[in-house]
Amino acid sequence: NAGVTQTPKFQVLKTGQSMTLQCAQDMNHNSMYWYRQDPGMGLRLIYYSASEGTTDKGEVPNGYNVSRLNKREFSLRLESAAPSQTSVYFCASTTQGAGELFFGEGSRLTVL
Amino acid sequence: QQQVKQSPQSLIVQKGGISIINCAYENTAFDYFPWYQQFPGKGPALLIAIRPDVSEKKEGRFTISFNKSAKQFSLHIMDSQPGDSATYFCAASRDTGRRALTFGSGTRLQVQP
Repeated sequence: NAGVTQTPKFQVLKTGQSMTLQCAQDMNHNSMYWYRQDPGMGLRLIYYSASEGTTDKGEVPNGYNVSRLNKREFSLRLESAAPSQTSVYFCASTTQGAGELFFGEGSRLTVL
Repeated sequence: QQQVKQSPQSLIVQKGGISIINCAYENTAFDYFPWYQQFPGKGPALLIAIRPDVSEKKEGRFTISFNKSAKQFSLHIMDSQPGDSATYFCAASRDTGRRALTFGSGTRLQVQP
């Protein structure tokens, strides 16, 4: 059982480049989330999708866009990467609201 | 504005000792308080959770203590083991967990042999 799968695991970008982080879950969960993790700041919510067809901003949405492609997949796009977006990004899913979250293993992004 | 404040930032405990991590929250609408454990290179995983209708919940060596009037909750790890060395995050949410989680800043625990 794969759970939550994120790709890529590592990525280096130059300032201004764009990229998309992919996330897929095979647990038939309704809700999906994108968090970023930075030292000393914990996990901060970027965007979430409570159900297929809906997306909402979290605490730190600026510079990001998301797409809930279908029930399984939730992607995060950086249109013009900035060094401040250097972080570890985690995708998570849950069956109802924000009960137990199941996290992927993370995508480490460096923006030079 | 940090809605969930966690301390300490790091903690070193001897094997067999008790590890205590504290969190305080501001939003009185929070009604679901989980703790997540994260090992290096992995995503966080749910360890234990509590709702405010009880003051304590115990699962094995892990206990959550909850003080609603003080808006504080804590994680106690009894008989700490080197395998417990990880980063621990407290979190909170509203509507019995149906809203997105707000996380604390994390505590890096090191249990020395």
